[in-house]
Amino acid sequence: DAGITQSPRHKVTETGTPVTLRCHQTENHRYMYWYRQDPGHGLRLIHYSYGVKDTDKGEVSDGYSVSRSKTEDFLLTLESATSSQTSVYFCAISGTGGPGGYTFGSGTRLTVV
Amino acid sequence: DQQVKQNSPSLSVQEGRISILNCDYTNSMFDYFLWYKKYPAEGPTFLISISSIKDKNEDGRFTVFLNKSAKHLSLHIVPSQPGDSAVYFCAAYSGAGSYQLTFGKGTKLSVIP
Repeated sequence: DAGITQSPRHKVTETGTPVTLRCHQTENHRYMYWYRQDPGHGLRLIHYSYGVKDTDKGEVSDGYSVSRSKTEDFLLTLESATSSQTSVYFCAISGTGGPGGYTFGSGTRLTVV
Repeated sequence: DQQVKQNSPSLSVQEGRISILNCDYTNSMFDYFLWYKKYPAEGPTFLISISSIKDKNEDGRFTVFLNKSAKHLSLHIVPSQPGDSAVYFCAAYSGAGSYQLTFGKGTKLSVIP
């Protein structure tokens, strides 16, 4: 979707290194989310944000941190990457925080070796 | 504890026939349900939704049925087309919760020409 961009699209990193994934939106939406998708697990929420500098943990937040210093950017950081964090990461945005209107980015495929 | 369950990892259907994808949930606080469709290397896209006050919602070839007493919903696609081949995620939302969507593990639908 043109209103939401994830970068990088692909990344290979070594165990123990820090990694930051970026989600950028041009929709001025208040709510932003980070999900990971793994085989056999579907989509699981990592962290979400309900405004600038307002964030909260999701279902699988251990090992991840987030920051949102401006409306358009939501960063996901793996402080010290582990092989269990190899996954596809999706960012989503929502204007209302309600059930509808989630728009997902195209994803970042992260491989930790 | 998996609150949204899609027990069929995959489904194969002949083109032109009906596809039925099933989803069960355990949390009685869920009051809105959605289906997302995902193609490889893309983010999930919204397909159809239903509020808990309804038992059916229709949009073109797609119909979602909700049975609250059984905590079960299903997505019907009629007629199925090869372009419908994708992974389908069931998701649920609680208005009394923390504005998060809870996803099932997904069902991979293959429509055979």
